[in-house]
Amino acid sequence: DVKVTQSSRYLVKRTGEKVFLECVQDMDHENMFWYRQDPGLGLRLIYFSYDVKMKEKGDIPEGYSVSREKKERFSLILESASTNQTSMYLCASRGTGRPNTIYFGEGSWLTVV
Amino acid sequence: QQQVKQSPQSLIVQKGGISIINCAYENTAFDYFPWYQQFPGKGPALLIAIRPDVSEKKEGRFTISFNKSAKQFSLHIMDSQPGDSATYFCAASTGQAGTALIFGKGTTLSVSS
Repeated sequence: DVKVTQSSRYLVKRTGEKVFLECVQDMDHENMFWYRQDPGLGLRLIYFSYDVKMKEKGDIPEGYSVSREKKERFSLILESASTNQTSMYLCASRGTGRPNTIYFGEGSWLTVV
Repeated sequence: QQQVKQSPQSLIVQKGGISIINCAYENTAFDYFPWYQQFPGKGPALLIAIRPDVSEKKEGRFTISFNKSAKQFSLHIMDSQPGDSATYFCAASTGQAGTALIFGKGTTLSVSS
């Protein structure tokens, strides 16, 4: 069964802290994604990676960075957390070829105080 | 041109009624149009998807209608049930490697019993 695992479901961090959100997939997918979900704004793409050590900016990369050292793991990093980064973060993965089904993790709820 | 516009933002339907959610796009290079369903506290999951070579796809009570010339597609939920209450996202992508799904802003559906 397809599995995208986000290790932290709920986090509370202080302003200025460095935050790591980890994501692991077990489907040997080449593509991995980080989305941010906010009410009324839908799913907005932060960064994605189509191969190990490769990354591409999405629509809202400011204040975030990513790391993909291994194919199965894609990390989202908030270098200095701010209150406007309080949100739900969704990791996803997708293989190459068709269909283009993207599989999501359960989400990480981050509160920055 | 990368946007996918989704409407309505919220929808209330009586049990047994038909729920209809609409999406429109501009990028004619899009060739994959999925719908995702998300329950509270969960990540989105693929519900049904269509490619532009067909005008309609049906899976159980869920149907996608696709109008290529109008660049619109819609989700119809027949005989809506309270268990269908969720947030629905339309999305689109091209077949190019290294590209991400572009999501609409979501529709919150409530089916009243």
